[in-house]
Parts: sequence; C-alpha cells; structure tokens
Amino acid sequence: DTAVSQTPKYLVTQMGNDKSIKCEQNLGHDTMYWYKQDSKKFLKIMFSYNNKELIINETVPNRFSPKSPDKAHLNLHINSLELGDSAVYFCASSQRMTGGIAEQYFGPGTRLTVT
Amino acid sequence: KNQVEQSPQSLIILEGKNCTLQCNYTVSPFSNLRWYKQDTGRGPVSLTIMTFSENTKSNGRYTATLDADTKQSSLHITASQLSDSASYICVVRRDNAGNMLTFGGGTRLMVKP
Repeated sequence: DTAVSQTPKYLVTQMGNDKSIKCEQNLGHDTMYWYKQDSKKFLKIMFSYNNKELIINETVPNRFSPKSPDKAHLNLHINSLELGDSAVYFCASSQRMTGGIAEQYFGPGTRLTVT
Repeated sequence: KNQVEQSPQSLIILEGKNCTLQCNYTVSPFSNLRWYKQDTGRGPVSLTIMTFSENTKSNGRYTATLDADTKQSSLHITASQLSDSASYICVVRRDNAGNMLTFGGGTRLMVKP
C-alpha cells in the first residue's frame, strides 16, 4: 500500500494555465507538506499544513495555494503558471511529535513542465 | 543565513568499497539533523535522524555522525552495493521552526560494478 501518493506523476501544460496536483496519505498523519525540487536538485519547503495552521514559506508566490479537503489530503493549486514553475513537486506527511523529530514520508513526486 | 552544504557534489566508487559523505550546516538554533536517500525519480526516504545529544547513529550499512559543536555531520556507507546509487541529502531542522526543514543540495553517489 502506498503511504503517500501524488497525481499526476507527470504534468505538461502551457504558460498561463491553472493546474492542481493532488496528494493523499494513508498514514493517519496530522501534518502535510509541499516541497519544490528545482533543476539543481535542492528541495525547498513551500507549505506546512495541519488542521490548525498553515505555515507558508515566504518565498512562495501567492499563485500557489494549498487546499485540504480533509486530514488525508493536501492538494496544490497553481494559478497562471510560469516557465519558472517547472520543477518536481513532492508531497510529504508526518505526525507531530514533541522534540521536533517527526519523520516525514515523501510521495513519489510530480514532474511539472510549463511550456 | 540558515544553510546546509554538502560535499562532494558527486562521487563514483566501486562496489564493495566504503565512502563518506560530508555535511556542514549553519542552521541555528539546531534541533535535529537527518540523512535522506533519494533514488532517481523517487521521493526521499529517511535513513537517520539525530538530535543534539547524539554523536552517531547506524541504520544497517549506513552510519551517520554528528558534531554539533562544529556543525558537521557525515554519512558513512560500508561495503557499498549497486543499489546504493542515489542522491544522499542532509537535512537540518531549526528549533522552533515547526516542521520546516532546510535541505542540502545532496551528494550524488554512483556505485559501479
């Protein structure tokens, strides 16, 4: 059984379009995340979200918005796509623990290509 | 600035050999440090998590060390296998930063037969 799943795995779209990437976790975790991995392979946090708070990385454009219909899902919606949005996007989840040692489990990634 | 730097950027070794990957960080205040393995086309998978008080932690053939005073960590791989070919990413969590992590750029390891 897949712990963290994302759809689609590949997404090719044109500039200016609006698209969504879906993420689901079946681990019962209370916190989910979205990361962007650029061409240089650096992973950068975009959002951290649980049912109480949304933490947004200040460098993320407001064209990006997370939407969570329930605890097991955190979708990423992107408006007015730009060429620079091309990257691999990873969803992850964790269970909040004291001491900040919560293990994060990553999905397989969605490769977004904007043309 | 909170950063994580890794070296080398890439490494090629022969199957069966050992290797050590390095990680230096400036993230402060420090909470914990993680090593992840990322296979091509896959998401990262955790190998170890170390807190301030831990100097070394092993996971099979992987052994991570942490020197919180010098802000350095290493990942030692023993008796490498072809399946060890992947990117190894050092990740540091800043204290009081929720679950926000700072990632290094990774070391790309290739194990050849």
